Amino acid sequence: QKEVEQNSGPLSVPEGAIASLNCTYSDRGSQSFFWYRQYSGKSPELIMSIYSNGDKEDGRFTAQLNKASQYVSLLIRDSQPSDSATYLCAVRGSSGNTPLVFGKGTRLSVIA
Amino acid sequence: GAVVSQHPSRVICKSGTSVKIECRSLDFQATTMFWYRQFPKQSLMLMATSNEGSKATYEQGVEKDKFLINHASLTLSTLTVTSAHPEDSSFYICSAVRQPNTEAFFGQGTRLTVV
Repeated sequence: QKEVEQNSGPLSVPEGAIASLNCTYSDRGSQSFFWYRQYSGKSPELIMSIYSNGDKEDGRFTAQLNKASQYVSLLIRDSQPSDSATYLCAVRGSSGNTPLVFGKGTRLSVIA
Repeated sequence: GAVVSQHPSRVICKSGTSVKIECRSLDFQATTMFWYRQFPKQSLMLMATSNEGSKATYEQGVEKDKFLINHASLTLSTLTVTSAHPEDSSFYICSAVRQPNTEAFFGQGTRLTVV
């Protein structure tokens, strides 16, 4: 059973701080890793994708991948109240068209 | 990013009736689409994988005769909830992948309420 684990939160950070979201996965053969943001009542929207070990930065967001530790993280710098949402970690295995396996999500609350 | 359009966004139906939800990839061809269901405060649960021109693959515990999936073209997949009951009330979301091993794009979701 392929699993993706996330701390459900809520994670509360003050406005302007760095929010750190973590995710571990069980399938060592996983090749593709994604972070989605989901606002209440809305469908998920893609924030970041990462495919190789190391860091990937996009604006205020940095994704980090460590395949040896089976660990993915998302850092949000200069957190804003509008970043308050549930962040879903998603992992895809080695086969190209297999569905994403989602974690249960971490609820982030940025306090003004 | 790619656009996936889902319709309707919200539907209320009577118990025992059927509801059809459409999922379209607007600017790319999607050989595979995925259907998810999400209950309040829970994560997305994969229901089925929809392949163009072939039968859908259902996840364990999902009734294929109740949730009919048709993927008639490279840009359209439909989910029909047959003989809906109140316990089928949920948020249904489709997603599509433009190319293998790349990100999935989600439709807007359909809020189904069965009364």
